[in-house]
Parts: sequence; structure tokens; C-alpha cells
Amino acid sequence: NAGVMQNPRHLVRRRGQEARLRCSPMKGHSHVYWYRQLPEEGLKFMVYLQKENIIDESGMPKERFSAEFPKEGPSILRIQQVVRGDSAAYFCASSPGLGGETQYFGPGTRLLVL
Amino acid sequence: AQKITQTQPGMFVQEKEAVTLDCTYDTSDPSYGLFWYKQPSSGEMIFLIYQGSYDQQNATEGRYSLNFQKARKSANLVISASQLGDSAMYFCAMRVGGSARQLTFGSGTQLTVLP
Repeated sequence: NAGVMQNPRHLVRRRGQEARLRCSPMKGHSHVYWYRQLPEEGLKFMVYLQKENIIDESGMPKERFSAEFPKEGPSILRIQQVVRGDSAAYFCASSPGLGGETQYFGPGTRLLVL
Repeated sequence: AQKITQTQPGMFVQEKEAVTLDCTYDTSDPSYGLFWYKQPSSGEMIFLIYQGSYDQQNATEGRYSLNFQKARKSANLVISASQLGDSAMYFCAMRVGGSARQLTFGSGTQLTVLP
């Protein structure tokens, strides 16, 4: 009974490179959320997706960040041309949607930009 | 706009005693949900307990209970019989509106259980 899976757990990038973070939701869950946690802070919502649809991206920076949840495969959070301020923990959560609203979180990906 | 406030940056409790972690919220939407998550030093986010705005009774899950006072807009987490493994950061979060919406998190409370 696997929970939410995220990989990689740790990612190191140099400024200007691209970062790709993956998230596989819990079995039976069709809703995926991405959150960012800066050091010493709470989590901040970024984007909410269902299969092949972005439902709410109000927390996503306008530039360099994108997310997708294709019909097949994991959800991807992509950060282009990373900067030092992108260093953070990125958490993915999933929920079943209708009939269940609790969001279950993955272990997170710690991104460090050098 | 919705807001979650946790006013206790850090709390200490003696092992086997009960502790209350405070959380107040602000929203004008009558439909909302309140959540508590635990984040140990290893970093993962663990779901603890949920309370819906229309729930008549306070939620309980094992040693965790949620003291929901709707008029005061508070949703305090009570941990009974604290254990050393309870030492962690605790976050209160709120979801506003229908199901499947973003969560708004508080700034967290660092709980330390003393032997």
C-alpha cells in the first residue's frame, strides 16, 4: 500500500540549470497538489492538478515554473533556469477528490541550488 | 482571504503529560476543513487529524483530539500522554470551500517532549 512517492529525494543544481521533480500519487487518487517549503516556514501552495488538467495554479510563480499531470505517468514540477532562491523543499500531496479530501503528502524533494 | 495563525513558535512538555497546540483561523466561507500535520526532523509531512466545519463533534484519532471552537475560530490540537516520538514541528492547515482545494498552512509549532 504505497503512499505518495516523490523522486528524487534530494536534488542539487547549479544556477541556470533545470530541475525536474516527480510525484506519483497514492493508488486511487486523481488529485495532485504541489507545495513549497522555504527554510523555517510553513508550506505554501503552488499548483493543483487533475489528470491532464491544471485546476488552480494561483500559487505558481509566473515564470520558469510549470507543472503537468499526464494521462500516464507521474506529475512533474519543472523549474527552468533555477536561481538560489528556488532552494527549498517541494512537497507533493494527493487526494481522492470526490468522497475524500484529506491530502496525503509525499516525503518531499529537497532542492539545493548552488 | 483565509488565514491560519499559530502563535506558539515552540512548546515544551514533559513525557506522559498532555499538551495543547493553538491554532486560530479566519475565513468568511461557511464550508471549510481544518487539518493538523506533523513534520518530524526527517522532514516528511504526516497527516494527524481532520475537522469539518459542519461536524458536530470534535474529531479524535488515538492520542490526538481537536478542540474545535467555531465561535472563537479556533482548532487547537490536544496530544494526550506525550511520547518522546511526538517531538516534531506541528502545522495547522485549512481548506476553504468545496472539497479538493489548496491548503493554507500556519507557521508551525515546534514541540519538544522532555524525558
